[in-house]
Amino acid sequence: GENVEQHPSTLSVQEGDSAVIKCTYSDSASNYFPWYKQELGKGPQLIIDIRSNVGEKKDQRIAVTLNKTAKHFSLHITETQPEDSAVYFCAASREYGNKLVFGAGTILRVKS
Amino acid sequence: DTGVSQNPRHKITKRGQNVTFRCDPISEHNRLYWYRQTLGQGPEFLTYFQNEAQLEKSRLLSDRFSAERPKGSFSTLEIQRTEQGDSAMYLCASSLAGTGLGANYGYTFGSGTRLTVV
Repeated sequence: GENVEQHPSTLSVQEGDSAVIKCTYSDSASNYFPWYKQELGKGPQLIIDIRSNVGEKKDQRIAVTLNKTAKHFSLHITETQPEDSAVYFCAASREYGNKLVFGAGTILRVKS
Repeated sequence: DTGVSQNPRHKITKRGQNVTFRCDPISEHNRLYWYRQTLGQGPEFLTYFQNEAQLEKSRLLSDRFSAERPKGSFSTLEIQRTEQGDSAMYLCASSLAGTGLGANYGYTFGSGTRLTVV
């Protein structure tokens, strides 16, 4: 079955610096790759997603890149702020709106 | 619409007892998913419904687990004879399934039900 690996498991950055989280997936049929942010006591919240026909997508300080050949995708957060501190999950799916396979998560700490 | 609602938020139960959780999805969403999340891990897929039909169940979903979505709206997840290993956060999500170009098919998660089996 599909397996998604996520690195690093924890990431500490200084406020204003950039943060990068990387994921690899095993199922070459995957074509939808969302990223979720989860704060303590809350459910995951979608922050950005990308479909396989696109190599990069950006939304303000957040961007996602996808390399289908290498089967990996990355989340980039620029100008980090303390409120970006949370757990971030990548996920992959064969179909937009279908079941997701999640990575194990990255704890991001932004130090002010 | 207030998003995906899950009740209760917390449940503490004794081993061997039955528990039932409820999920109310976003009203226009026809797909509803249940996931389980343990500490330090990403959510793991349990099952999903399209309207009232249960289309897929994970092998994680033992015979003690049953999920229903009787009218294609809210869903319940029941765990019978709970075990300590069932302690986790149970997350519900909903989405819209379809093929319309430009439509938003992304998931919306609820805040989850945290189950503690003592």
